[in-house]
Amino acid sequence: AQSVTQPDIHITVSEGASLELRCNYSYGATPYLFWYVQSPGQGLQLLLKYFSGDTLVQGIKGFEAEFKRSQSSFNLRKPSVHWSDAAEYFCAVGAPGGGNKLTFGTGTQLKVEL
Amino acid sequence: KAGVTQTPRYLIKTRGQQVTLSCSPISGHRSVSWYQQTPGQGLQFLFEYFSETQRNKGNFPGRFSGRQFSNSRSEMNVSTLELGDSALYLCASSWLGTRDEQYFGPGTRLTVT
Repeated sequence: AQSVTQPDIHITVSEGASLELRCNYSYGATPYLFWYVQSPGQGLQLLLKYFSGDTLVQGIKGFEAEFKRSQSSFNLRKPSVHWSDAAEYFCAVGAPGGGNKLTFGTGTQLKVEL
Repeated sequence: KAGVTQTPRYLIKTRGQQVTLSCSPISGHRSVSWYQQTPGQGLQFLFEYFSETQRNKGNFPGRFSGRQFSNSRSEMNVSTLELGDSALYLCASSWLGTRDEQYFGPGTRLTVT
């Protein structure tokens, strides 16, 4: 069975500082990997996704993530955080050919200090 | 292009009752998935429907059921509500399969008293 671990429940960064949110997955092969963001009272919005190929993927809002097979990780990064990035971030894994079933991590709440 | 809409947005029910939630996907999308979000369990997959057929199912009791209509609109039903069913229920739609972006609705907040 697939699983996702986000070890950081809360992270606080200063505006303008860099950000890295960690995500580790467990899956027998190369899964499909996703990062979503959820603002209060909102649904989830897809930031980026990885299916195969180039291990560094670019997403919306200046986010990027790197797939590292050897570490079973898919960490999310942003070089300079904006106050509007404060939200909850979810890493998710899907099985190739498995339809749209996603397994989510528990989320990381990001707080941005001005 | 209209996004995913869910109705109602908020709902209060009493333990033992049943409830039906509705999801209208983005026009042209054929896959609809449902997720339950709670503070304790996080985001958990309930089921996915594609072209009126259940394609995937999560680990929820039989009290949770769903269906999809020919216009891709979907409903989920929870019978014999329990306090633990209080949650945000999210619906997501996509064109076809996993490689297509899933667009999430704002959710239905269900409170069971």
